[in-house]
Amino acid sequence: DQQVKQNSPSLSVQEGRISILNCDYTNSMFDYFLWYKKYPAEGPTFLISISSIKDKNEDGRFTVFLNKSAKHLSLHIVPSQPGDSAVYFCAAVANQAGTALIFGKGTTLSVSS
Amino acid sequence: EPEVTQTPSHQVTQMGQEVILRCVPISNHLYFYWYRQILGQKVEFLVSFYNNEISEKSEIFDDQFSVERPDGSNFTLKIRSTKLEDSAMYFCASSVDSYYNEQFFGPGTRLTVL
Repeated sequence: DQQVKQNSPSLSVQEGRISILNCDYTNSMFDYFLWYKKYPAEGPTFLISISSIKDKNEDGRFTVFLNKSAKHLSLHIVPSQPGDSAVYFCAAVANQAGTALIFGKGTTLSVSS
Repeated sequence: EPEVTQTPSHQVTQMGQEVILRCVPISNHLYFYWYRQILGQKVEFLVSFYNNEISEKSEIFDDQFSVERPDGSNFTLKIRSTKLEDSAMYFCASSVDSYYNEQFFGPGTRLTVL
């Protein structure tokens, strides 16, 4: 049962362009969403989060958009840099139910120079 | 910058043996977690721990698993009798609180069960 879905296993973008990573969820109890970046042989690194009471959160080059009615969120990276090449995981939590982060399968972003 | 640390980075064990994976969470964090990622699969939640007790656990976290905070800094995951399917990356994480929380992850321990 995939409560958090990242339907694109990979994305290739040129340096300087925008990267858009998408995530869909099915559980309407989710009220907090996070994006993590992961390099090989390392743990997930927290990037940015958004509460369900907001529709946008921005931090430098990273912006997360949340569309609750569509149960969809996206991470925008502008401008993309080669160092952004990694696996990006979307995660969600239903705070009323507990603390477990539910992860998507991840999208591998490749940024070419 | 404070970070979560984990030891060992790689553990190889024989099926049926006990293993203990160790983690040092970020010092002012109060909530501690274990996750695992089987090769090619999603990161999966195992257990969360607060105030010296388990606050939540998943179906994966059966009687073969246990967690402990033996002192003020370490947080351990014990697998009593390892199975081949326990082979995975095990990530420890910690957070300041439990609500709208960012969980910070360690680098992981790769467990290989032969």
